Amino acid sequence: AQKITQTQPGMFVQEKEAVTLDCTYDTSDPSYGLFWYKQPSSGEMIFLIYQGSYDQQNATEGRYSLNFQKARKSANLVISASQLGDSAMYFCAMREVEGGSEKLVFGKGTKLTVNP
Amino acid sequence: NAGVMQNPRHLVRRRGQEARLRCSPMKGHSHVYWYRQLPEEGLKFMVYLQKENIIDESGMPKERFSAEFPKEGPSILRIQQVVRGDSAAYFCASSPPIRASTDTQYFGPGTRLTVL
Repeated sequence: AQKITQTQPGMFVQEKEAVTLDCTYDTSDPSYGLFWYKQPSSGEMIFLIYQGSYDQQNATEGRYSLNFQKARKSANLVISASQLGDSAMYFCAMREVEGGSEKLVFGKGTKLTVNP
Repeated sequence: NAGVMQNPRHLVRRRGQEARLRCSPMKGHSHVYWYRQLPEEGLKFMVYLQKENIIDESGMPKERFSAEFPKEGPSILRIQQVVRGDSAAYFCASSPPIRASTDTQYFGPGTRLTVL
């Protein structure tokens, strides 16, 4: 079974600064995919960024980047130049593929608050 | 290109009643997933369906819960004889039939079920 751990229940950052949200994972599969989603107070799940286990480079998407350290099994999300609108819950997830099925396994999330 | 649609967005039921949650996947998507989010928790996988087939229902409670994805029409998650513990946000996600490893699941806005 796969497992996602997000150890920071809450994080605070000043507007315009960078922040790192931690995510560690546990899997014995050599091939896997990692995702980050944002959930604002309105409740929808917004896909942010994807990292594949065989990707040679860390994923980047605008102000979002992923600090992927395969040996440590960590996939931390870095948000640069934080904005007030970044205040939300952030979830790390792993795609689990097994026996013809596929699902996303989520961590418990980190609540990010951006202060003006 | 409309995204994943869910209705209703909010549903209130009394204990013992039935709840029906609907999900229309993105155009061209034939794979549907249902997830449940309890308060202060991450999303938990419930069931994975393709048209007219249940692929994986390992996350679904054995009693009172059922899901279908008919040839025509939306996917339905049905909860019979609801109890207070069923109060949660229920998310539907969809993905295309043929996809790259980088493809994510696209989430709907969720249905917030409150059981009185």
